[in-house]
Amino acid sequence: ILNVEQSPQSLHVQEGDSTNFTCSFPSSNFYALHWYRWETAKSPEALFVMTLNGDEKKKGRISATLNTKEGYSYLYIKGSQPEDSATYLCALNTGFQKLVFGTGTRLLVSP
Amino acid sequence: KAGVTQTPRYLIKTRGQQVTLSCSPISGHRSVSWYQQTPGQGLQFLFEYFSETQRNKGNFPGRFSGRQFSNSRSEMNVSTLELGDSALYLCASSLGLQGAATTEQYFGPGTRLTVT
Repeated sequence: ILNVEQSPQSLHVQEGDSTNFTCSFPSSNFYALHWYRWETAKSPEALFVMTLNGDEKKKGRISATLNTKEGYSYLYIKGSQPEDSATYLCALNTGFQKLVFGTGTRLLVSP
Repeated sequence: KAGVTQTPRYLIKTRGQQVTLSCSPISGHRSVSWYQQTPGQGLQFLFEYFSETQRNKGNFPGRFSGRQFSNSRSEMNVSTLELGDSALYLCASSLGLQGAATTEQYFGPGTRLTVT
């Protein structure tokens, strides 16, 4: 069973702070790593799909890196805003669209 | 483009009953996956359908079943409901093409099932 761990479990930062979360996994037995943002009462929203070791993605103030050799992916948020408050999930695609999710990092950004 | 829709949004059932949930994918998407979210377990994969065929299945008992229709709409059925089946059930759609693990999956808003 592929165990995906995310840390920290929760994070409380002030507006303007930069922050990062970690997604770690024991092996590279997957095809892609997905990052999602899940706001309360909404659907999970896809942020990035990461492939290959050394992959990096960026969208506005949010970026992500993947290191399959070391078994981790980082998600960075630069200059956090209150609207960034959400749970951030990483998931491994192990084939035929099956996503194995971590338990998420809950981010709260205070004005 | 309309997103993924799920019906109903909320449901209350009694232990022992059965329930059917529906998911309509984004137009053109042929893959529909189902997930269960509980506070203790997080998001757990139930199964995935592509072109009316189940391609992948998670570790859930046989009481959980699904199907997909020719228009890609999918239904999930849970028979003999147990209290532990209370959860948020999400479906996700994608193009689902072979070798397309890098394509995004788009989630619906979910169905909140409460079993009493």
